Amino acid sequence: EVQVLESGGGLVQPGGSLRLSCAASGFTFSSYAMSWVRQAPGKGLEWVSAISGSAGTTYYADSVKGRFTISRDNSKNTLYLQMNSLRVEDTAVYYCAKEVRSQLLSANWFDPWGQGTLVTVSS
Amino acid sequence: DIQMTQSPSSLSASVGDRVTITCRASQSISSYLNWYQQKPGKAPKLLIYAASSLQAGVPSRFSGSGSGTDFTLTISSLQPEDFATYYCQQSSSSPYTFGQGTKLEIK
Repeated sequence: EVQVLESGGGLVQPGGSLRLSCAASGFTFSSYAMSWVRQAPGKGLEWVSAISGSAGTTYYADSVKGRFTISRDNSKNTLYLQMNSLRVEDTAVYYCAKEVRSQLLSANWFDPWGQGTLVTVSS
Repeated sequence: DIQMTQSPSSLSASVGDRVTITCRASQSISSYLNWYQQKPGKAPKLLIYAASSLQAGVPSRFSGSGSGTDFTLTISSLQPEDFATYYCQQSSSSPYTFGQGTKLEIK
């Protein structure tokens, strides 16, 4: 079964740091791009960052650029999100998701998603 | 960035109703449009990818259509388990933006 499982969330003060992890299983991890998507309490979904399968290419939302770093360890089937200079507005459930790409359809989508890990930034 | 706008933001309907949710992109995204369902406290679940392809295991009462800038998600006959929030998402270009969501509630 294809699964992704996040961990590492918690309570942190504004200006602090936190590293999230996402353990993947059931698929060839290095063959797939991965993304982080977050959801603030009671709000919608916001894509945060993505990384290619080889880790050679990374992408960030403007809201986190320069503060967050996405990385992966393909030998450990694990995705990471290093979050620095955290702000109150970064409070959210953070999901990791596998990006599926179809050359036939020329399309890509997120599936599956993990259960999420809650990050709370508060003093 | 490509803006995604869903309508309506909320919708009340009854079991057995036919429901349509609309998603509009601020520029053409071809068929790079996906639909997700999210229930309270749960992760989003993929329903439709590439605008009209049904994800494996998703009931056939769900369907998607559209291309360019205008897309629809249709549920042909609402079931009790379909009451949830639905999001569209464009995967044409980074950042992969989502619509604001449509909350489907029981009438």
